[in-house]
Amino acid sequence: SAVISQKPSRDICQRGTSLTIQCQVDSQVTMMFWYRQQPGQSLTLIATANQGSEATYESGFVIDKFPISRPNLTFSTLTVSNMSPEDSSIYLCSVSAMGEKLFFGSGTQLSVL
Amino acid sequence: RKEVEQDPGPFNVPEGATVAFNCTYSNSASQSFFWYRQDCRKEPKLLMSVYSSGNEDGRFTAQLNRASQYISLLIRDSKLSDSATYLCVVNIFGNQFYFGTGTSLTVIP
Repeated sequence: SAVISQKPSRDICQRGTSLTIQCQVDSQVTMMFWYRQQPGQSLTLIATANQGSEATYESGFVIDKFPISRPNLTFSTLTVSNMSPEDSSIYLCSVSAMGEKLFFGSGTQLSVL
Repeated sequence: RKEVEQDPGPFNVPEGATVAFNCTYSNSASQSFFWYRQDCRKEPKLLMSVYSSGNEDGRFTAQLNRASQYISLLIRDSKLSDSATYLCVVNIFGNQFYFGTGTSLTVIP
C-alpha cells in the first residue's frame, strides 16, 4: 500500500480566493487522481494528474478552475480557484497501485463562505 | 445510466446480525472490483478486493457474479465498529474507477 500525506486537512476560505491542496506519496506512482466528494454524495473524479504533462480533466471540470501540478512521481497539487460556496466539499487525492487498488489521502475539507 | 448502482440504505441492524449489500455495474468489460469503507468525514479505505471465486476475510465475504454483473458484501456477526458507509468500486481498465453512492450501515447495541 501507499502512504499519502495530504494537506491542509481543512480550511475555511472567503469567496473569490484560491486554495492549493498538496499531496505527497511515500513512493513513486504512475497514476494520481483528484476527487471531490460533496456532502452525502459519492466521489467524483476531477482529473488525473500526469507527470510531465497537463492533467486530464473529466467532463464538467476545467483547468482554469482546478489547475493541477505534478512535478514528479511522488507529488501533486490541486488548486481550487476563485472559490464560491458551491466549491465547499471534501477534496481527496488518490493513487493507484499497479493500476488496481486506489489509496486515498486523508482529504481536505473545504468550506467557502 | 450510472456505471455503478448501490442501495444507499440506511441499514440499521442489531449487534451480531448478518447484513448483505449488493452493487450492480453496467459495463461488462469491468476488470476489478472492490469494497471500500468510509467513516464519517474520513477518506475511503480499502476493505477488500472482490474475486470471481469469492473471497473471505474474517467476518467479511465478497462475491462477484459476472453473468449478472453484481458484487456483494456479507458481514457476519456485526460489531458496533462496523458502522460506516460501504462503497462499491469498479475498475474498467487503467485509471477508470467508478464509485457507487455508498451504503450506510449503523449497527445498534
